[in-house]
Amino acid sequence: QVQLVQSGAEVKKPGASVKVSCKASGYTFTSYGISWVRQAPGQGLEWMGWISAYNGNTNYAQKLQGRVTMTTDTSTSTAYMELRSLRSDDTAVYYCARSSNYRTWVSWFDYWGQGTLVTVSS
Amino acid sequence: EIVLTQSPGTLSLSPGERATLSCRASQSVSSSYLAWYQQKPGQAPRLLIYGASSRATGIPDRFSGSGSGTDFTLTISRLEPEDFAVYYCQQYGSTFGPGTKVDIK
Repeated sequence: QVQLVQSGAEVKKPGASVKVSCKASGYTFTSYGISWVRQAPGQGLEWMGWISAYNGNTNYAQKLQGRVTMTTDTSTSTAYMELRSLRSDDTAVYYCARSSNYRTWVSWFDYWGQGTLVTVSS
Repeated sequence: EIVLTQSPGTLSLSPGERATLSCRASQSVSSSYLAWYQQKPGQAPRLLIYGASSRATGIPDRFSGSGSGTDFTLTISRLEPEDFAVYYCQQYGSTFGPGTKVDIK
């Protein structure tokens, strides 16, 4: 069965970086994309960006351009999301999700990881 | 950028009742590239509907989606206790709506 298992909770200071992993299993990793979505406490869902597991192409949300990098390691079927220059308003649960299309970010998200809480606090 | 608006913000209904949730886009959504997700407290979202009207794998047929262009609807024909949750619409791969909470009356 398809599973996305994310790394554990993180606590970071303002200005630091965080890197969250998402290990996929149960499907051919390179046949899909991975999107990242975050949810601040008590708030809605915010799309952060997408990476093709096939060729590494990316598309990031404009507000995060320059602070976020998404990568994949096809040898371990793992996707990574790194966010730099953390601020208090980056405190959120970060989700990875399988995108139905490896060619484009314009796709639906059919499987989700369990979420990783990132807390930014001095 | 397309902005999605969902209404109502909260819908208070009883089990067995019909729920009708609305999602309106600020511009036409291409080729019905619209999805619906359900999220329960402390859980990740779950895909319900894609392509505006296609049910995802394993989703009960009491859930249905309709609409095109700028106006989309998610209908739950008869609410089961497990359906009380927050529902989000999304333009494929990007913008989410703010959500509609369906709670028990």
